[in-house]
Amino acid sequence: DQQVKQNSPSLSVQEGRISILNCDYTNSMFDYFLWYKKYPAEGPTFLISISSIKDKNEDGRFTVFLNKSAKHLSLHIVPSQPGDSAVYFCAASPSSGTYKYIFGTGTRLKVLA
Amino acid sequence: SAVISQKPSRDICQRGTSLTIQCQVDSQVTMMFWYRQQPGQSLTLIATANQGSEATYESGFVIDKFPISRPNLTFSTLTVSNMSPEDSSIYLCSVTRGTGHNEQFFGPGTRLTVL
Repeated sequence: DQQVKQNSPSLSVQEGRISILNCDYTNSMFDYFLWYKKYPAEGPTFLISISSIKDKNEDGRFTVFLNKSAKHLSLHIVPSQPGDSAVYFCAASPSSGTYKYIFGTGTRLKVLA
Repeated sequence: SAVISQKPSRDICQRGTSLTIQCQVDSQVTMMFWYRQQPGQSLTLIATANQGSEATYESGFVIDKFPISRPNLTFSTLTVSNMSPEDSSIYLCSVTRGTGHNEQFFGPGTRLTVL
């Protein structure tokens, strides 16, 4: 049973436009969420996180939105750049004080120049 | 952040053999983890490498198949034992400096192919 789902395996966006990557979860005990970016032949790199007490967190071009009632989070990248082309994973943590993260299957973003 | 290296970066192995993967961090870290990413799948936590004691394994993973060592706060190894083609995956180590909610930093991964 996949507790963290990224239903779009791939996404293509024109450079300069907004990229929106979505993630759904099923476990209401998740209270901390993260997004990672992964380039080929490299390990995942932490991008941004959000606690369940917030509904939005922003860091430069990256913003994560959390809708707890819908058990849905999204990552917005504005403006998108060709260097953003990578696989993006969302991850969720079951409860405060734990290291255990459950990862989604990833969305491959391609930003077209 | 932390600088993490893994050796080997990739390997092709015969079934029935074993491979040990090394993970080295540039500074002391609180926790070290080993993940597996099978083709087209998400990252799955194999175990937490505990310094000076036995690793803590997740459901579906056992010590006999994936023995782990962590002799100090900067180094760990994962062995994939008696390999079969189903073990073909990317194996990643990760670290975190604190406890609780902290981002994990990942190594570059080891791509293993078992023939």
